[in-house]
Amino acid sequence: DAGVIQSPRHEVTEMGQEVTLRCKPISGHDYLFWYRQTMMRGLELLIYFNNNVPIDDSGMPEDRFSAKMPNASFSTLKIQPSEPRDSAVYFCASSQIWSTDTQYFGPGTRLTVL
Amino acid sequence: QKEVEQDPGPLSVPEGAIVSLNCTYSNSAFQYFMWYRQYSRKGPELLMYTYSSGNKEDGRFTAQVDKSSKYISLFIRDSQPSDSATYLCAMTTSGTYKYIFGTGTRLKVLA
Repeated sequence: DAGVIQSPRHEVTEMGQEVTLRCKPISGHDYLFWYRQTMMRGLELLIYFNNNVPIDDSGMPEDRFSAKMPNASFSTLKIQPSEPRDSAVYFCASSQIWSTDTQYFGPGTRLTVL
Repeated sequence: QKEVEQDPGPLSVPEGAIVSLNCTYSNSAFQYFMWYRQYSRKGPELLMYTYSSGNKEDGRFTAQVDKSSKYISLFIRDSQPSDSATYLCAMTTSGTYKYIFGTGTRLKVLA
């Protein structure tokens, strides 16, 4: 299995532009997570899905952020409009079940908003 | 005050040393405790998973949980340069996937 796939790996954009980050979870995994990592705040959960349904989006910072999972093999995280404070590494992770199973992280998308 | 506190380091040790990494937390409802390793420019990967209190050993790694003190530790024996990475603790309550992560401790093992 190729693991969790994220694209793009790097994104540089200007303030006010729309940014779309993409994630393909591991096949067969039921849960998908979006995280944001910064030096100051560490790794923070933004939202997670179970069977394509958003379960907890309490970590989404504001209405500029939105996430969708149209099917079991694809999810997007969109920021519109982007701001310099959104600069961070965004990770997608997937997991199969609770109990001893773990979240498998993708390589991340490094976002820079100028 | 953050729910999970972790010294950012960096922590530099010579090869072969025993490394101790720690996290403290404030939420007594946390029951599941994890340690992740993150290499530079990579995603975190799970190292150890512990439920409630006690010790768990896996090769050179030992995880300890002391719920009475709200304190968890990861010990690395015979540390190797390949152990150089950032180590993140994470924890959650029962019935939720909402992991709360520490900010990570950066470890350097010198050859």
